[in-house]
Amino acid sequence: KQEVTQIPAALSVPEGENLVLNCSFTDSAIYNLQWFRQDPGKGLTSLLLIQSSQREQTSGRLNASLDKSSGRSTLYIAASQPGDSATYLCAVRVTGYALNFGKGTSLLVTP
Amino acid sequence: GAGVSQSPSNKVTEKGKDVELRCDPISGHTALYWYRQSLGQGLEFLIYFQGNSAPDKSGLPSDRFSAERTGGSVSTLTIQRTQQEDSAVYLCASSLMGQGLLRGQPQHFGDGTRLSIL
Repeated sequence: KQEVTQIPAALSVPEGENLVLNCSFTDSAIYNLQWFRQDPGKGLTSLLLIQSSQREQTSGRLNASLDKSSGRSTLYIAASQPGDSATYLCAVRVTGYALNFGKGTSLLVTP
Repeated sequence: GAGVSQSPSNKVTEKGKDVELRCDPISGHTALYWYRQSLGQGLEFLIYFQGNSAPDKSGLPSDRFSAERTGGSVSTLTIQRTQQEDSAVYLCASSLMGQGLLRGQPQHFGDGTRLSIL
């Protein structure tokens, strides 16, 4: 069974810092990996999707990398802002159609 | 619509009652997914629809849970004889396709239904 782990579970940084969120998975035979953001009481907002054949994806201040062989992905957030405060979830798609989620990293960016 | 729409946003009911949760996916999305998010458990997959058929029901936790989709659009998740452990946020997602080479399509989520069983 695919296990997805996110480290750290919580992170607090001052505004303006660059930061890295980590995601690891046990089964390297994935179709893709998706990073989401979840605000309190809200659903999930898709941030980036990396196909298994890709190494990284970028959107604005966000950059996600994928190393399938080592079972790792990182989400890099540049020049963090208070509005980035949320829970960030990593999910992988293996066989079948379901996403396997990590438990998330709760990020707080302080002014 | 512009995004995945779920209703109701909140539902409080007594143990033993039946509940229906509704999901309206993004227009044109043929694949639809139900997930459950419980405190401390993270997100778990419940069921997947491609069109009106459900090729993967592997995540449904018991036979009290059922789901249907009609017209390739709206889906309803029904929980019969609710128990307190059913309390959770139920999230619906949709994507363009779910099979073969197009399994790589991103899933887009609604805001969920927060279900509380008293």
